[in-house]
Amino acid sequence: SQTIHQWPATLVQPVGSPLSLECTVEGTSNPNLYWYRQAAGRGLQLLFYSVGIGQISSEVPQNLSASRPQDRQFILSSKKLLLSDSGFYLCAWSAGQGFKNIQYFGAGTRLSVL
Amino acid sequence: GDSVTQMEGPVTLSEEAFLTINCTYTATGYPSLFWYVQYPGEGLQLLLKATKADDKGSNKGFEATYRKETTSFHLEKGSVQVSDSAVYFCALREGGSYIPTFGRGTSLIVHP
Repeated sequence: SQTIHQWPATLVQPVGSPLSLECTVEGTSNPNLYWYRQAAGRGLQLLFYSVGIGQISSEVPQNLSASRPQDRQFILSSKKLLLSDSGFYLCAWSAGQGFKNIQYFGAGTRLSVL
Repeated sequence: GDSVTQMEGPVTLSEEAFLTINCTYTATGYPSLFWYVQYPGEGLQLLLKATKADDKGSNKGFEATYRKETTSFHLEKGSVQVSDSAVYFCALREGGSYIPTFGRGTSLIVHP
């Protein structure tokens, strides 16, 4: 069966520090991978998605970046965090372009920038 | 473009009350429709889905029917429990698209 791992679960970082959040998927190959952010009391904001190694699409311009160094690994990074980067970050995967395909989410990372 | 509109929350109910969370959508094609649930401090997980008109998705006592004529996919449960307290997201996905469209989520609070 497929599983998705996301870490760390909680992170407290000072303003201006770097960020690296990691997500890995097991049990499937060539998944579509996604990073979402969820601000407190708000909906989901799609940040990046990837349909293959080295292929990254950015939905929202900001000081975050994403990379996919391996087929089932997706990394969210920042060189210098801002206060506004605080939020709940969710990694997700799905298979292909099929309209029946389900999004599978990780447990999330709670990021607090102080 | 595609969009999903959910009723504003929070929805506050007493245990064993009937639940309805409204969801309407606009889509250029013929999408699949989904309800996801997010329990406190966790990621989203699929609750139910429907892939064609008049399909009824159901799971854990929750139901939703794909109504193409009214472009709706309302979530219902006959008798809610405290453990149903969560945020519920309606979503759609069109064929040929990598990206689903999510509603803003509706918070449900169930009191004993």
